[in-house]
Amino acid sequence: GAVVSQHPSRVICKSGTSVKIECRSLDFQATTMFWYRQFPKQSLMLMATSNEGSKATYEQGVEKDKFLINHASLTLSTLTVTSAHPEDSSFYICSATVLAGPSYEQYFGPGTRLTVT
Amino acid sequence: RKEVEQDPGPFNVPEGATVAFNCTYSNSASQSFFWYRQDCRKEPKLLMSVYSSGNEDGRFTAQLNRASQYISLLIRDSKLSDSATYLCVVTPETSYDKVIFGPGTSLSVIP
Repeated sequence: GAVVSQHPSRVICKSGTSVKIECRSLDFQATTMFWYRQFPKQSLMLMATSNEGSKATYEQGVEKDKFLINHASLTLSTLTVTSAHPEDSSFYICSATVLAGPSYEQYFGPGTRLTVT
Repeated sequence: RKEVEQDPGPFNVPEGATVAFNCTYSNSASQSFFWYRQDCRKEPKLLMSVYSSGNEDGRFTAQLNRASQYISLLIRDSKLSDSATYLCVVTPETSYDKVIFGPGTSLSVIP
């Protein structure tokens, strides 16, 4: 299947700092990528849809000024958590879609575990 | 009502058992359906797509009933390595690539 990478895999930062997470499609081009957040023992919650060359589309309740998304190329999307707080500590996962037959299949990056102290 | 609902679990089954997971979705116009598995502290991985005619991949069988808005996953001859959380995933009517995840059902296969 398609390969999606994320960097860093784990980050610990102090409250008030900003953290950038990169998501790359390694063997295909992705005009659309998705960013999810997952809290312990909960399912993935879609935060935003990242569109190459245009503004991201945010889900209801997700602050666009806090979670900055940039999709500057067909293989890279970045999520920046600005002024991070302990409640932002979570598992952040990106995905990219690949058209497979009649439907799109989503392939996920390995995730970034963010801990804000 | 949540858009995608699954058996709450957890399921604890012995090796070799057959186990079935159920999933229901609320939007009758949903486009595509998938089962993903997620291991602890890892990203979800596509297990199989679900087609109207049903599909089978080795020990795994997926079924879709559009009339009842119901999806199932059957695992035969369970292995220890099948222990994971199984996520039902649905593509909503308005999008061909955005998906909605169910809450997941946890499976533990016991020796």
